[in-house]
Amino acid sequence: GQQLNQSPQSMFIQEGEDVSMNCTSSSIFNTWLWYKQDPGEGPVLLIALYKAGELTSNGRLTAQFGITRKDSFLNISASIPSDVGIYFCAGGGGSNYKLTFGKGTLLTVNP
Amino acid sequence: NAGVTQTPKFRVLKTGQSMTLLCAQDMNHEYMYWYRQDPGMGLRLIHYSVGEGTTAKGEVPDGYNVSRLKKQNFLLGLESAAPSQTSVYFCASSFEGMNTEAFFGQGTRLTVV
Repeated sequence: GQQLNQSPQSMFIQEGEDVSMNCTSSSIFNTWLWYKQDPGEGPVLLIALYKAGELTSNGRLTAQFGITRKDSFLNISASIPSDVGIYFCAGGGGSNYKLTFGKGTLLTVNP
Repeated sequence: NAGVTQTPKFRVLKTGQSMTLLCAQDMNHEYMYWYRQDPGMGLRLIHYSVGEGTTAKGEVPDGYNVSRLKKQNFLLGLESAAPSQTSVYFCASSFEGMNTEAFFGQGTRLTVV
């Protein structure tokens, strides 16, 4: 089946810094989704991308759907302590009937 | 807005016991899913439903059963719990299809001893 490689696995940054994480696949996807999961909670959808090359923002978050349809990245600008959590990418469509999730990036922000 | 609601939030079972996890969504979504989340494994699909009265197996269906008698509810059953089923379980739903935006519940942390 399709697999996603999400990197980095974890990041430790200072408050105010910008953050970038990405997901890559050997297969193409028609949809890229980015989720955030706080401790003890379920994943919450941050950004949905449906078109190759699409660049979408949600506040301080910006995500792009790679032009090859095999990758996506998420940027967080001017990080704040509440950005702490696990960020997941998910790819949809292509040759798989379901969403394929990355294993997550654990973000720690030092105030 | 309630969204996707799961009950219970925590549960401890003894090996061999049975239980049912409840999921309810108030968004009129056709598609509903049960995932399990384990360290280092990410989210894995257990079972899913594409509409009321339908169910299908996902990646890791063994040891679980599901039912979708009403559109808004999706039940996950464990007939004879095993320690390997210790996990965090998430219910999710989506409107348009299995490859589109899914909305998750808060999770059920299950421990089987």
